[in-house]
Amino acid sequence: DSGVTQTPKHLITATGQRVTLRCSPRSGDLSVYWYQQSLDQGLQFLIQYYNGEERAKGNILERFSAQQFPDLHSELNLSSLELGDSALYFCASSVARTGVYGYTFGSGTRLTVV
Amino acid sequence: AQKITQTQPGMFVQEKEAVTLDCTYDTSDPSYGLFWYKQPSSGEMIFLIYQGSYDQQNATEGRYSLNFQKARKSANLVISASQLGDSAMYFCAMREGKGSSNTGKLIFGQGTTLQVKP
Repeated sequence: DSGVTQTPKHLITATGQRVTLRCSPRSGDLSVYWYQQSLDQGLQFLIQYYNGEERAKGNILERFSAQQFPDLHSELNLSSLELGDSALYFCASSVARTGVYGYTFGSGTRLTVV
Repeated sequence: AQKITQTQPGMFVQEKEAVTLDCTYDTSDPSYGLFWYKQPSSGEMIFLIYQGSYDQQNATEGRYSLNFQKARKSANLVISASQLGDSAMYFCAMREGKGSSNTGKLIFGQGTTLQVKP
């Protein structure tokens, strides 16, 4: 157990639907990063939160949104799902805003859109 | 712009031999960090080794070492005495800077699939 918990591990849903992926960071970590891993795009940074505030945005679609709650867990919301959104979504946490002390990755949520 | 390049989509190595996985990077920031991660078929991302841009010595972690050549902007991973369990995808990643404007996001290469033959 890495200390970062992602739920669910697997998710199968239909096109047009909305899903929520959850991430609980390692105890003490304030930063949460979301990444998408797909066959054609590789590993792409989506968004970062630090202590409840959005810190950076990467290649995140407008149909996707995220937030970090006061207890520091984070949720990634994906709406109007398309077949191309099928991917492995990772959450990583770090204690610092800049990741200077390293990162801990969760085991990922594998999303399949059918 | 930041970029990580892994030019070897797939590699084979005989069990107990050493193997080098290539990684080159591009950044204009003098302060950066380089990471290697292992992703087995089960999907999780496992941290292997880290090299800071100002570190004087090449990083080592058990059977893993990093051949850091700053002038050439390369950070190759060397795995010694390969084991069957080393078969996985390997990613090189970079984090730029430490200043307040930097977020710590990682930029990943496309990965190298390593297969260890018995």
